[in-house]
Parts: sequence; structure tokens; C-alpha cells
Amino acid sequence: DGGITQSPKYLFRKEGQNVTLSCEQNLNHDAMYWYRQDPGQGLRLIYYSQIVNDFQKGDIAEGYSVSREKKESFPLTVTSAQKNPTAFYLCASSYSGGSPTDTQYFGPGTRLTVL
Amino acid sequence: QKEVEQNSGPLSVPEGAIASLNCTYSDRGSQSFFWYRQYSGKSPELIMFIYSNGDKEDGRFTAQLNKASQYVSLLIRDSQPSDSATYLCAVENNAGNMLTFGGGTRLMVKP
Repeated sequence: DGGITQSPKYLFRKEGQNVTLSCEQNLNHDAMYWYRQDPGQGLRLIYYSQIVNDFQKGDIAEGYSVSREKKESFPLTVTSAQKNPTAFYLCASSYSGGSPTDTQYFGPGTRLTVL
Repeated sequence: QKEVEQNSGPLSVPEGAIASLNCTYSDRGSQSFFWYRQYSGKSPELIMFIYSNGDKEDGRFTAQLNKASQYVSLLIRDSQPSDSATYLCAVENNAGNMLTFGGGTRLMVKP
């Protein structure tokens, strides 16, 4: 069953803690993306990766870090430097990310709440 | 800053009517445009994409693109209560490696 999985579905973080959100895909997609969505708003790009061992900052990368050691996996770490991390985090992937009309497909999301 | 603008709504239409959702964008170099549907608490799911001027139809959905006016729209014919959701417009950059999303339009279809 092909798709994108994200875990956990819900995550609670205390002030000052780093947390890592998992994103795995078995679609053989080259490109992977992390977005943040705040209530009533659209998606904002945090980081993206077009190939293994390479990634680029998006519009709101401050306070976040990523790695891309495997094609299937693109974990996102929300560090203590991110001042307002409470949001819905969405991972997406696409076939190549380097040509027009490569459609991005989304995982189910992780809802992060800071206590 | 490349921008994608949508009316946040809510747009309320009666069941069976045509819902018209609009999106404008600032980057003239944009080539591809996507419409996603997002139910409350869920992730976005692709409805359709368009990259040529004119209309593209898929079932009850029609996307319309006018690059000269930097305008893309989504028409939903025979609207159903199950169409009630937030519709996100996304614009791809010229390199084809990034999407910029609008804030979304909330559609309510009333029985």
C-alpha cells in the first residue's frame, strides 16, 4: 500500500525541548517537503529536499532542522529556537521536484502543541 | 515575496449550485497551478492542476487559467454538502521545485 506516513499524529512538547517529526514515503519519490499550517491559514514551506543528502531552506526555516539520509525518509526537528511551534505540520513528496507539474502529495500530518 | 491570494470566505452556496473559487498570483513566471481540497483537521488532497490558458475539466470540477490576468479559478458544478471544505490554490515557481499556497477559501454547501 503506497503512500506517505507521518508520526506521531499528535505531539506535545514542553518549552525548551527539541522534538522530531517523522515522515516516510514508499512512492519512490525523489523530492520531499515540510510545511507548517496555522489555524485558518495556508501552508508555508519550511524545508525541501530534491535528492538524498541535499536540502534547501523554505520561507520559514528558522528554528527547524532536517536531514535526508535516505530517499524514503525526511525527518523534521523542531528545536527550542522555534518560538511559536504550535501548528499542524505536513509532509509532502513528489516525483522529481524539478520540472513543472510534478504533483505534491501529502501525508496525514502531525499536530504539535507546546504546553 | 511571491504571493497567492484567495478570499477566505466562507463562500456559502445551496446544494446543486455552481461554486466559484478564485485565486490571483503575483509571479508572472509561474507555469503550473494546483487546486487542493482540505477537510477540517485533515491534510490537503489534490483536485486538479492546470498549466495551459483556458479551461480544464475533470468531472464536476473545472479549472480556469488566465496567465495574462494572473488569475486561476475552480468551478464546482452540482455542489454537494460533501464538497464543504477549504480549497487551497497553489502556484508552482518557474523552477518547478516549490509551491506557494494561498490562504484557502472555505466553502459551505447547504442542503
